[in-house]
This record gives sequence, C-alpha cells and structure tokens, in this order.
Amino acid sequence: NAGVTQTPKFQVLKTGQSMTLQCAQDMNHNSMYWYRQDPGMGLRLIYYSASEGTTDKGEVPNGYNVSRLNKREFSLRLESAAPSQTSVYFCASSAGQGDVDRYEQYFGPGTRLTVT
Amino acid sequence: AQKVTQAQTEISVVEKEDVTLDCVYETRDTTYYLFWYKQPPSGELVFLIRRNSFDEQNEISGRYSWNFQKSTSSFNFTITASQVVDSAVYFCALSEETDSWGKLQFGAGTQVVVTP
Repeated sequence: NAGVTQTPKFQVLKTGQSMTLQCAQDMNHNSMYWYRQDPGMGLRLIYYSASEGTTDKGEVPNGYNVSRLNKREFSLRLESAAPSQTSVYFCASSAGQGDVDRYEQYFGPGTRLTVT
Repeated sequence: AQKVTQAQTEISVVEKEDVTLDCVYETRDTTYYLFWYKQPPSGELVFLIRRNSFDEQNEISGRYSWNFQKSTSSFNFTITASQVVDSAVYFCALSEETDSWGKLQFGAGTQVVVTP
C-alpha cells in the first residue's frame, strides 16, 4: 500500500497563476484533509472532506477550493496564487466517523509550493 | 484561540541527555484525543501516539514516554537517552469529540536538536 500520495512534490508559481494539488489514498478511508504548514505555526486545516461528496471549510480556506473526486482522491486548487500561499501543503486521510480509529490521520509527503 | 500550546520553540541537548516536550491543551469536551507527531528533516509527518481523554495512564514505548494529566490539561512527551536521529520537530495535536470528523488542531511544534 502506498498510503497517501501527493503530486507534485515541488512547485513554483508566479503570482496570479493557478494550479491543482493532487492527493490520493489507498486505505479506503472516508475522511480526507488538506493542511498548510508555515514556520512557527504548526499545521493549519484548509479544507476537509468528511466523506465522499462532502467538503467543508477549515481554519484557513480563503484562496482555495477543493474537490472530492471520489473516495480515493481529494484535490486542492489555487485559482490565483499569491505570495502568502507560499507554504508546505499536506494531505491526510482518516477512517472517519463510526470507526474506532477515526481520529488517527495518515499524512502524505507534502508539496512545497513557492509563489513569487 | 490556540487550543494546543507548545511553549518551547526549540530545545537543544547533547546526545544521551533526556528531553521533555511540553504540551498544554484547551477543550470543553469530555471526550477528546491527543496526539504526538514527529517531523524529521526529510519533512514527512510520523505518527507517534494517540491517547484518549479517559485513559490517563502514562505510556512508555522504548525511549519514548508520555505523561497525560487532565488536571493540568497537559500531555508531555519525554525522550530518554536522546540520539541524533531524534532531531526533528515534534507536534502535539488535539481532536475533539464534538468534531466527529476527527479534525486535528496542532500546536506550533518544538524543534529538538540533538548534537553528538
């Protein structure tokens, strides 16, 4: 099992450009999450998807959109990138509600994004 | 408001010394989960432990031990006889029962530097 995979690993964008970060999991998890990590601030939740077909805003959703394409895939889109979105982005998944292990999240390797 | 506080930004120790990382959390839920994650220089997030609010027993796993005290809302982590490979950023995180989808709220992290 690959666990949680993310593409790309690195990306440089110019201000105003758009891009989509891809995330996939092969653990048959119901819930998926996108976080951003900035120095000195830990990880902050951008969006999450409790189950296939649903998405909700997290702590810092402005400037982002998400799509839960199917149970396996959860993408994060930056429509018009800004320098403030320079960060490391992590995707995670968990079993979700109803499962005794629902609180345990598994993380992807991260995407390092620089916006100039 | 920050629900998880890791007051120590960086701790530097010499190999074989013990190091204790502090974590203080805030919640009104009676049921919640606490986590510790390790982020080595390679960048991935590694799950270390999960503890639920009804289990205050301390836990030891090899050189790692955790001290959970509900009375002081703390969940501290100790590395005994530290090694260079322990150099990493360590994150404490909280998941509250009222948030049934298992969203994690992270502290800012503590950088541990172990020198030979």
